[in-house]
Amino acid sequence: TQLLEQSPQFLSIQEGENLTVYCNSSSVFSSLQWYRQEPGEGPVLLVTVVTGGEVKKLKRLTFQFGDARKDSSLHITAAQPGDTGLYLCAGFIPNQFYFGTGTSLTVIP
Amino acid sequence: DVKVTQSSRYLVKRTGEKVFLECVQDMDHENMFWYRQDPGLGLRLIYFSYDVKMKEKGDIPEGYSVSREKKERFSLILESASTNQTSMYLCASHLTGRSNQPQHFGDGTRLSIL
Repeated sequence: TQLLEQSPQFLSIQEGENLTVYCNSSSVFSSLQWYRQEPGEGPVLLVTVVTGGEVKKLKRLTFQFGDARKDSSLHITAAQPGDTGLYLCAGFIPNQFYFGTGTSLTVIP
Repeated sequence: DVKVTQSSRYLVKRTGEKVFLECVQDMDHENMFWYRQDPGLGLRLIYFSYDVKMKEKGDIPEGYSVSREKKERFSLILESASTNQTSMYLCASHLTGRSNQPQHFGDGTRLSIL
């Protein structure tokens, strides 16, 4: 049973389009992290959100933690080919991280 | 710069063999983790360790064991490899008690069991 469900599983869009990836659970997390993974490499942290309702921006990426700390979203504005990769959310419940199922994003030039 | 090193990028073994995957971190982190990654399933936790000689089962420990004799090294052992253990294996380390800190991952070992 997967604690965190991500949607969509696959996303293929044109350069310049906007997109949103969702990460949902029925469990409450102490914090939630988003990672990006490129082929042949391990995941690399993009952001950590800790407070319910928190919004963080990283250039064209906007991350939001749900008020109840059960869900999160990642919004990318004007996607670029360099955004291509596997996006993973990970919720922390002491002392373990629980990873989502992943969203594979392809941005077509 | 922090580093987690996995001993092999690619490994091919035969059914029934005992397989060792090694992971070393240079950050003096207490926590270390072994995950397997399969398409559509994300990362699933096999085992983790809080400290030397300590180990805890994750979500899918069956068919695996681990060893942590030194703080910097965490080994994953497939006691008798089977074809359903063909997967990408990722090792990670993390600073204890700091949920806002990242897990640092190695580049993974792609293991094929024939």
